[in-house]
Amino acid sequence: QKEVEQDPGPLSVPEGAIVSLNCTYSNSAFQYFMWYRQYSRKGPELLMYTYSSGNKEDGRFTAQVDKSSKYISLFIRDSQPSDSATYLCAMRKAGTALIFGKGTTLSVSS
Amino acid sequence: DTAVSQTPKYLVTQMGNDKSIKCEQNLGHDTMYWYKQDSKKFLKIMFSYNNKELIINETVPNRFSPKSPDKAHLNLHINSLELGDSAVYFCASSQGERDLPDTQYFGPGTRLTVL
Repeated sequence: QKEVEQDPGPLSVPEGAIVSLNCTYSNSAFQYFMWYRQYSRKGPELLMYTYSSGNKEDGRFTAQVDKSSKYISLFIRDSQPSDSATYLCAMRKAGTALIFGKGTTLSVSS
Repeated sequence: DTAVSQTPKYLVTQMGNDKSIKCEQNLGHDTMYWYKQDSKKFLKIMFSYNNKELIINETVPNRFSPKSPDKAHLNLHINSLELGDSAVYFCASSQGERDLPDTQYFGPGTRLTVL
């Protein structure tokens, strides 16, 4: 089993839809959970991070971590065409490298 | 004002050649990384340097040799290029462990194509 699993999609939604992106992981020692967004032909950029379990909200974006289920989610409300990108989950524990999921490609149509 | 820059942006070369990719960051970060992103968008770390010292060296063929002349630069030299080396290579930098979660800032990538 890979350390981090993420459905690559692609995921296509109409503008205004609520989008749910998810990752599962196997290493219970992971403490830091991140979502990176990568536009086509660009480098990834950090969107949100969460430490341990819980929710975090930033504008239209909400990140959730459920450590008991080893499951993390990113919700995008009122999705916009500008949200079209690949979303990569990433996680780590202190002292180790960041492990990325394979990324989910999202397309929001107007 | 570019934070993490890489050159070249595109690199097309023949099998067996040797090539280098350069990376520079102006964020004052202590730690720099090289990642490889394959055609399926899977991003995997190759190397990590902290203050010019190698701290992470994943299972990467020894044809790949990173070099850090100072903490703002991390270059990647690849010998005897193979078809399987074709990928996008990303450089990144971060403050390091003293500033968890240690957010990494990525460069624009170098798209390497080996013919």
